[in-house]
Amino acid sequence: DQQVKQNSPSLSVQEGRISILNCDYTNSMFDYFLWYKKYPAEGPTFLISISSIKDKNEDGRFTVFLNKSAKHLSLHIVPSQPGDSAVYFCAASAGQGGSEKLVFGKGTKLTVNP
Amino acid sequence: NAGVTQTPKFQVLKTGQSMTLQCAQDMNHEYMSWYRQDPGMGLRLIHYSVGAGITDQGEVPNGYNVSRSTTEDFPLRLLSAAPSQTSVYFCASRPGGLVGFVNEQFFGPGTRLTVL
Repeated sequence: DQQVKQNSPSLSVQEGRISILNCDYTNSMFDYFLWYKKYPAEGPTFLISISSIKDKNEDGRFTVFLNKSAKHLSLHIVPSQPGDSAVYFCAASAGQGGSEKLVFGKGTKLTVNP
Repeated sequence: NAGVTQTPKFQVLKTGQSMTLQCAQDMNHEYMSWYRQDPGMGLRLIHYSVGAGITDQGEVPNGYNVSRSTTEDFPLRLLSAAPSQTSVYFCASRPGGLVGFVNEQFFGPGTRLTVL
């Protein structure tokens, strides 16, 4: 049973517009969430994270929103740039980030068109 | 800093062969992990280590062994390769403890393994 779900395998947006990537989770013990970006033939790179004690975390063009009651989080990229085209993975863990046991979603491939 | 390095980049094995995937990091990170990524899937944790001499199982440990004799190295051993182990393998590391509640793992570039 998938504990972290990214239901959209792909997303296409125009340069300059907002990209919204969604992630749902089922395990109520998860209390720390991360987003990773992955380019082809490279390892994932950390993008942004959020603890369950917050409902929003912002870093430049990237904002992550957490809705604990809905077990849902989303990553907003504003404005989107062609260099943002990559696969984005949502990941979750229990233990306020202290656990090594990250559970990943299947990823969403974002394409930003010039 | 080279960061997290993995060798080899590509490997083809026959069923039943054994091999070791190498992973090294030069950031003096306490924690290291191995993941596999299958087509259309997210990354799944195989084994991890919270320090030299300490390892533990992840979600999919069967068919793999690890050891951590130094802080820098965390090799992954396939004892008897099977076609189901065809995958891309990623090694990751991070500092011990929490830095501002950020569990940022640094990933290597991956090893693409095919088992025939």
